[in-house]
Amino acid sequence: QVQLVESGGGVVQPGRSLRLSCAASGFTFSSYAMHWVRQAPGKGLEWVAVISYDGSNKYYADSVKGRFILSRDDSKNTLSLQMNSLRSEDTAVYYCGRDLSGAGNYWGQGTLVTVSS
Amino acid sequence: DIVMTQSPDSLAVSLGERATINCKSSQSILYSSNNKNDLAWYQQKPGQPPKLLIYWASTRESGVPDRFSGSGSGTDFTLTISSLQAEDVAVYYCQQYYNDPFTFGPGTKVDIK
Repeated sequence: QVQLVESGGGVVQPGRSLRLSCAASGFTFSSYAMHWVRQAPGKGLEWVAVISYDGSNKYYADSVKGRFILSRDDSKNTLSLQMNSLRSEDTAVYYCGRDLSGAGNYWGQGTLVTVSS
Repeated sequence: DIVMTQSPDSLAVSLGERATINCKSSQSILYSSNNKNDLAWYQQKPGQPPKLLIYWASTRESGVPDRFSGSGSGTDFTLTISSLQAEDVAVYYCQQYYNDPFTFGPGTKVDIK
């Protein structure tokens, strides 16, 4: 069955970097676009970024553009989110999701990122 | 950016009764080439990831009970739960994927009256 497992979250100081990973299994990873969404504590969902199935197209939310970099390694069935210049407002649970015609129909359980001094 | 709004912010419905949630986009999200609206509905329960219920505004995701239905076109959309069950208590979000950024609505909390 489809499984997505995020990792790499933790506590980081403002201005520092963190790299999240999403390990995919149970489907042909290289055939699907993949998304990241996040949810700040007690808040709603915020879409973060999407990468096309072949990695040729990447789109980002305005709030992370220029700071976050999305990539994929189809040989390892892994999606990565490099987060630079982190801010307190980046504190959230980050979920990776598999694309279905633009929506996300499978999601991992999420990894918590806390940006704090 | 396309702004998504939802109404109401919250609602309480008796078990077995109908729940209706509205979602509005700041511009049309009807994709003319295939006549489909790029609109999804998600359900999220506390401590869980979102669960896709509906995509293309009215197509039910596999395994989703048929008491959930989506309707609307252009800029105005509705999620209807025809007969509310206890397990439907959750926050519901709409999302457009017509243009990046793929924005979510603020969410509607559904409770039992």
